[in-house]
Amino acid sequence: GNSVTQMEGPVTLSEEAFLTINCTYTATGYPSLFWYVQYPGEGLQLLLKATKADDKGSNKGFEATYRKETTSFHLEKGSVQVSDSAVYFCALRGGGSNYKLTFGKGTLLTVNP
Amino acid sequence: DADVTQTPRNRITKTGKRIMLECSQTKGHDRMYWYRQDPGLGLQLIYYSFDVKDINKGEISDGYSVSRQAQAKFSLSLESAIPNQTALYFCATSDYSGGSTDTQYFGPGTRLTVL
Repeated sequence: GNSVTQMEGPVTLSEEAFLTINCTYTATGYPSLFWYVQYPGEGLQLLLKATKADDKGSNKGFEATYRKETTSFHLEKGSVQVSDSAVYFCALRGGGSNYKLTFGKGTLLTVNP
Repeated sequence: DADVTQTPRNRITKTGKRIMLECSQTKGHDRMYWYRQDPGLGLQLIYYSFDVKDINKGEISDGYSVSRQAQAKFSLSLESAIPNQTALYFCATSDYSGGSTDTQYFGPGTRLTVL
């Protein structure tokens, strides 16, 4: 079956530091890949997505590239802000009509001023 | 206004009580989902519905039931709540139009505590 493994947190950074949160996956077929963000006390929000190999998703300064050869979708941001403090979830959706989202366990990011 | 709303946002109840969590959406999506989030476990799918007449069990449906009252409304019930159902519950919607994306959009969540 499908699975997602993301780096365990918590991750603590200073403002303006570079961020990488690793995500690797196992899936059959051609999955779509997602990063969701959950700010404190809120629901999950879609941060970015990529639907095929070599696609780069980007939003709010975050980027992730769908790497089929390494089955990875690492999240990066060049300069984090305090407001980026949240839990980040990597997820995949199987190809075709497969409805199911498979989530990683989440990575808590704390950015200090 | 939010596209996906959940009520209540917080609920404390006692063991054995029947609880209903409600979800409404204005996105016009056919597909709706209920997830449960526990600390350190990510999200687990409870039930999903592809349209009003199509309801399916997810990974962890035991102890839960659902009702799809309309395209825009999908309710989750705990017939007899137990403490290990204490969790954060999320509703989500998506619109499958034959493409591969079928992005899911989440509500704000309901925090349920069973004493």
